[in-house]
Amino acid sequence: KNEVEQSPQNLTAQEGEFITINCSYSVGISALHWLQQHPGGGIVSLFMLSSGKKKHGRLIATINIQEKHSSLHITASHPRDSAVYICAAQGAQKLVFGQGTRLTINP
Amino acid sequence: ETGVTQSPTHLIKTRGQQVTLRCSSQSGHNTVSWYQQALGQGPQFIFQYYREEENGRGNFPPRFSGLQFPNYSSELNVNALELDDSALYLCASSFKGQVGEQYFGPGTRLTVT
Repeated sequence: KNEVEQSPQNLTAQEGEFITINCSYSVGISALHWLQQHPGGGIVSLFMLSSGKKKHGRLIATINIQEKHSSLHITASHPRDSAVYICAAQGAQKLVFGQGTRLTINP
Repeated sequence: ETGVTQSPTHLIKTRGQQVTLRCSSQSGHNTVSWYQQALGQGPQFIFQYYREEENGRGNFPPRFSGLQFPNYSSELNVNALELDDSALYLCASSFKGQVGEQYFGPGTRLTVT
């Protein structure tokens, strides 16, 4: 079993739908990262959170430390949101990544 | 403030050869981490460098080695390349001592034939 598990692995939705991607981790963490990776490969950091909730535009990230679970939500999804979304657990020295969720938003 | 850069962007090597990948850190960051991302997988931690010393290593053989320079730029060297080394190699810079964001470079895509 991977230390960081994401679900679903693939998600296809229509423009405007509310999207939720889930992340569960089994390791102790100092923070949880949500990252976005486009087909070219470059990774962009969306959120780093250690408690509660953060919001940036249409993106919302939440974390429940007791349950070792985090979610990334996208409101009013748009085709440009299509990408791979990766959660990563921040340990003492390294990030441990989930396998990623491939999101496709159709117009 | 400059972002993290990596070179080259793409590289094709043959089995058995050696390769050097380069990374320039975000300005002000003193720590560089290297990750390998195979196709369809999440990145895997290779190692981290802090103040020119290796500061943690993942489950990679010794033929994966690195350097960090006084200006905090870094190299990843891979000897005796194998077909399974084909992957996207990412570096990320951060500031040790702070639980802060890691800033990723665009990656180097290595193909071993």
